[in-house]
Amino acid sequence: NAGVTQTPKFQVLKTGQSMTLQCAQDMNHNSMYWYRQDPGMGLRLIYYSASEGTTDKGEVPNGYNVSRLNKREFSLRLESAAPSQTSVYFCASSAGLAGTPKQFFGPGTRLTVL
Amino acid sequence: GQQVMQIPQYQHVQEGEDFTTYCNSSTTLSNIQWYKQRPGGHPVFLIQLVKSGEVKKQKRLTFQFGEAKKNSSLHITATQTTDVGTYFCAGRDDKIIFGKGTRLHILP
Repeated sequence: NAGVTQTPKFQVLKTGQSMTLQCAQDMNHNSMYWYRQDPGMGLRLIYYSASEGTTDKGEVPNGYNVSRLNKREFSLRLESAAPSQTSVYFCASSAGLAGTPKQFFGPGTRLTVL
Repeated sequence: GQQVMQIPQYQHVQEGEDFTTYCNSSTTLSNIQWYKQRPGGHPVFLIQLVKSGEVKKQKRLTFQFGEAKKNSSLHITATQTTDVGTYFCAGRDDKIIFGKGTRLHILP
C-alpha cells in the first residue's frame, strides 16, 4: 500500500498562475483533507471531504477550490496564485469523521509563489 | 471560536533529559490526538485520548488527558536523538483543530 500520495512534490508559480495539487489514497478511506503548514502556524485545514460527493470549508478556504473526484482522489486548485499561498500543502485521509479516526498524511507539496 | 494552544513553541534539551509539551483548549474536547513530524517529513499519528483523566504510555512517551478534557500533555522520558521533531496536538470539539506544535531539538 502506498498510503497517501501527492503530486507534485515541489512547485514554483508566478503570481496569477493557476495549478492543481493532486492527492490519492489507497486505504479505502471515506474522508480526505487538505491542510497548509506555514512556519510557526501549525496545520490549518483548508477544505475537507467527509465522504465521496461532499466537500466542506475548513479554517482557511479563501483562494482555493477542491474536487472529490472519486473515493480515492481529492484535488486542490489554486485559480490565481498569490505569494501568501506559499506554503507546504498536506493531504490527509481517515476512515471517516465519526469518532475522529486517525489521519494519514501524504508527503506534502512545497509550493512557492513568486 | 475553538482554539488549541500548545506550549512551549520550542524546546532544546540535552540528550537523556526529559521533555514535556502541553496542549490547552478553550473548549471541552471530545478527544485529543497527538502527531509527530520529523524535520522535512509529514505528520504521523501517535495516539488518541478519549476519556477524562486518561493516561496512555508508549515506551518512553506518556500521554495524559485532563480531567476537564480541556488540556493534555505529552512527556518523553530520557530523550534520544530519534525524538527530534515537532509534536502536534489536535483537539476535536465540533471540528478538529491542530495546535501550532512544539519543536523539540536534542543537544548531543
